[in-house]
Amino acid sequence: AQKVTQAQTEISVVEKEDVTLDCVYETRDTTYYLFWYKQPPSGELVFLIRRNSFDEQNEISGRYSWNFQKSTSSFNFTITASQVVDSAVYFCALSRFGNEKLTFGTGTRLTIIP
Amino acid sequence: NAGVTQTPKFRILKIGQSMTLQCTQDMNHNYMYWYRQDPGMGLKLIYYSVGAGITDKGEVPNGYNVSRSTTEDFPLRLELAAPSQTSVYFCASRVEIYGYTFGSGTRLTVV
Repeated sequence: AQKVTQAQTEISVVEKEDVTLDCVYETRDTTYYLFWYKQPPSGELVFLIRRNSFDEQNEISGRYSWNFQKSTSSFNFTITASQVVDSAVYFCALSRFGNEKLTFGTGTRLTIIP
Repeated sequence: NAGVTQTPKFRILKIGQSMTLQCTQDMNHNYMYWYRQDPGMGLKLIYYSVGAGITDKGEVPNGYNVSRSTTEDFPLRLELAAPSQTSVYFCASRVEIYGYTFGSGTRLTVV
């Protein structure tokens, strides 16, 4: 069975601080996908990134970066120089290679204080 | 390009009533999914479909039914609504390689 753990239920930081959201996953598969989604207060789900298990390169997109470490089964998400618009619930998710039924973590509510 | 469209956005049902949540996508995606999100929780898969005429159960299918007669539409049917079905329901679709596209959600309350 697959499992995603986001141990941080809520995080608050002051604007412009850096913040890292943790994601730890469990799977017996050797190939799989990892995702991050953002859910702003309006409720929709916004796709941020998808990473496959055989690509451990870290990725940076503007103020966002992701650190994938297979050795520790972690896929952490860092926001640099946080902004109020980053306030949202962030979900990490896992899927098997080929069918992509997503297994979600319980989410981390991030609040950026102006 | 509308993406994934869900209707209605909000609904209040009485216990024992039935309803259908509509989901339509205009991207010609083969794969479609229904998830529910309970307060403070992640999303859980109810049903999914890999193409017209093919559906399968997800993690929490009890109390729901689906059909997929066309590529575009994937309605979710609730029979005999129960308070435990109070949730936010998300429909999603995807095509190979790329990530999911989610609808904006349907907030359902059963009283």
